[in-house]
Amino acid sequence: AQTVTQSQPEMSVQEAETVTLSCTYDTSENNYYLFWYKQPPSRQMILVIRQEAYKQQNATENRFSVNFQKAAKSFSLKISDSQLGDTAMYFCAFMALETSGSRLTFGEGTQLTVNP
Amino acid sequence: EAQVTQNPRYLITVTGKKLTVTCSQNMNHEYMSWYRQDPGLGLRQIYYSMNVEVTDKGDVPEGYKVSRKEKRNFPLILESPSPNQTSLYFCASSPMRQPVNTEAFFGQGTRLTVV
Repeated sequence: AQTVTQSQPEMSVQEAETVTLSCTYDTSENNYYLFWYKQPPSRQMILVIRQEAYKQQNATENRFSVNFQKAAKSFSLKISDSQLGDTAMYFCAFMALETSGSRLTFGEGTQLTVNP
Repeated sequence: EAQVTQNPRYLITVTGKKLTVTCSQNMNHEYMSWYRQDPGLGLRQIYYSMNVEVTDKGDVPEGYKVSRKEKRNFPLILESPSPNQTSLYFCASSPMRQPVNTEAFFGQGTRLTVV
């Protein structure tokens, strides 16, 4: 079984600054994907960024980037130039394709507040 | 537009009164699942389905039923709701086959309150 842990229930950052959200996971799988989802007050689940475990290069999407440390089973999200619209709950998630289809295992979530 | 549609978005019901939350996707995805979201616990999988007539339990299946009679629909049934099923529920769908754009598509969520 897989587990995903987000140890920061809440974080805050000033607008335009950089913030890093932490995520660790535990698995015995070799072929898996990791995700960060954003959930704004509208409750919509929005995919922020995806990382394939077999890729050594860290994924980036505009202001969002990850630090993927496979050996340490760590997958942190860095948000640069934080904007007010980044205020949301952020979930880290794991998917092991070979043994569990398309099932997602989520962390507890981190509530991020961007202050003006 | 590719989407997962859940209904209703909000529901208040009384203990023991059967209810169904509907979920429909228009992307021909094989895999569909239901999650519940609770504070401090993230999203936990209730049930999933890998194809028509194929369903299986997730992590927290007690008190729930599902069916998959058609590929596009995956309703969640609470036969006798209890207050501990008060939660935010999400339906999600995704393709099964490789190469896979592994993004899961989520419905808008259903806020259920059982009194």
